[in-house]
Amino acid sequence: DAGVIQSPRHEVTEMGQEVTLRCKPISGHDYLFWYRQTMMRGLELLIYFNNNVPIDDSGMPEDRFSAKMPNASFSTLKIQPSEPRDSAVYFCASSYGQGGETQYFGPGTRLLVL
Amino acid sequence: DAKTTQPPSMDCAEGRAANLPCNHSTISGNEYVYWYRQIHSQGPQYIIHGLKNNETNEMASLIITEDRKSSTLILPHATLRDTAVYYCIVRGSQGNLIFGKGTKLSVKP
Repeated sequence: DAGVIQSPRHEVTEMGQEVTLRCKPISGHDYLFWYRQTMMRGLELLIYFNNNVPIDDSGMPEDRFSAKMPNASFSTLKIQPSEPRDSAVYFCASSYGQGGETQYFGPGTRLLVL
Repeated sequence: DAKTTQPPSMDCAEGRAANLPCNHSTISGNEYVYWYRQIHSQGPQYIIHGLKNNETNEMASLIITEDRKSSTLILPHATLRDTAVYYCIVRGSQGNLIFGKGTKLSVKP
């Protein structure tokens, strides 16, 4: 199994530009999670999906952030417009079930907004 | 907020056992204790989890006290590659993982 795949691995963009982060979960997993990690705030859950349906987006910082999961093998996290404070590492994780099962994390996307 | 308390950092000599403590005094009966670790620049990696019995797998052992208010993760023979931030997380069966600041373990030669 290739594990959770994220792209791009690194992204540098200018303030105001649209950023799209992509994630391919592990095949067969029915939960997908998006996290953000910064030095100041640590690792925060932004949103998670179950069977492609968003369940809890209370961690999404503001309306500039949106996430979609059009099918079981693909999800996107979009920031529009981006701001310097959005600079962080964004992780995608997937799991089979939520009851005690473990999450498998991708390698992350390092985003720098100038 | 994280429901656990961990020391911010620990050192361990290579080849020795690393014992990482975690306090979770407010844990409820149906909540599990999970351990993850994050090696520099990588995504967090699952290590082990337990409810009330001690658990062991190929990576580590988890010792949970009888009152379940604390636990210890044991890496039996630490190597340099075990240098990472270790997160202790309390989670219910339907809850999300809430990562605190963790313990930065440095394994030294």
